[in-house]
Amino acid sequence: GDSVTQMEGPVTLSEEAFLTINCTYTATGYPSLFWYVQYPGEGLQLLLKATKADDKGSNKGFEATYRKETTSFHLEKGSVQVSDSAVYFCALSYPYNTDKLIFGTGTRLQVFP
Amino acid sequence: DTAVSQTPKYLVTQMGNDKSIKCEQNLGHDTMYWYKQDSKKFLKIMFSYNNKELIINETVPNRFSPKSPDKAHLNLHINSLELGDSAVYFCASSQGSQISYGYTFGSGTRLTVV
Repeated sequence: GDSVTQMEGPVTLSEEAFLTINCTYTATGYPSLFWYVQYPGEGLQLLLKATKADDKGSNKGFEATYRKETTSFHLEKGSVQVSDSAVYFCALSYPYNTDKLIFGTGTRLQVFP
Repeated sequence: DTAVSQTPKYLVTQMGNDKSIKCEQNLGHDTMYWYKQDSKKFLKIMFSYNNKELIINETVPNRFSPKSPDKAHLNLHINSLELGDSAVYFCASSQGSQISYGYTFGSGTRLTVV
């Protein structure tokens, strides 16, 4: 079945460091891919998305490119801030089908000043 | 104003009890969902409703019964609670396909069964 695999956390970085959180997926069709972020004590928020191969999603300095050949959707940011500390979830879905999201296990990011 | 609100935020109860979690959204969305997040942070869909109709019902024990009195509310009732039901339950909503707008999640209900 379809699944999403994320790197284990926590990822611990100093402020202004470069961030990569790896995400790979297994899918039977051509899903859309998402990154959601969960700040402490809050629900998940959509961070960015990509709907087809080679699409790049971006938001708030974060980027991820839909790589069909490597079935990956790695999240990157050039310079992290303390306020980026959160749990990041990679997910896939088949829009216009059941539209349900299949999530990875989440990666906790901790950024220190 | 909170877009998707869940109550209660925390719920501690004994095995065998029956409990409900309420969810309301004020976004005018037509689809609502329940997700379960286990102790390892893994999120899995349980149910979705579109305009009060059940759309998705994953392999969830029938002790879990969703109820949607109107499209702004989706409540979750759980009978005969078990230790394994301990988790964080998230309600979410979307308008149309979530590919266009994304889900809006509530802040979660942490259920602890003792």
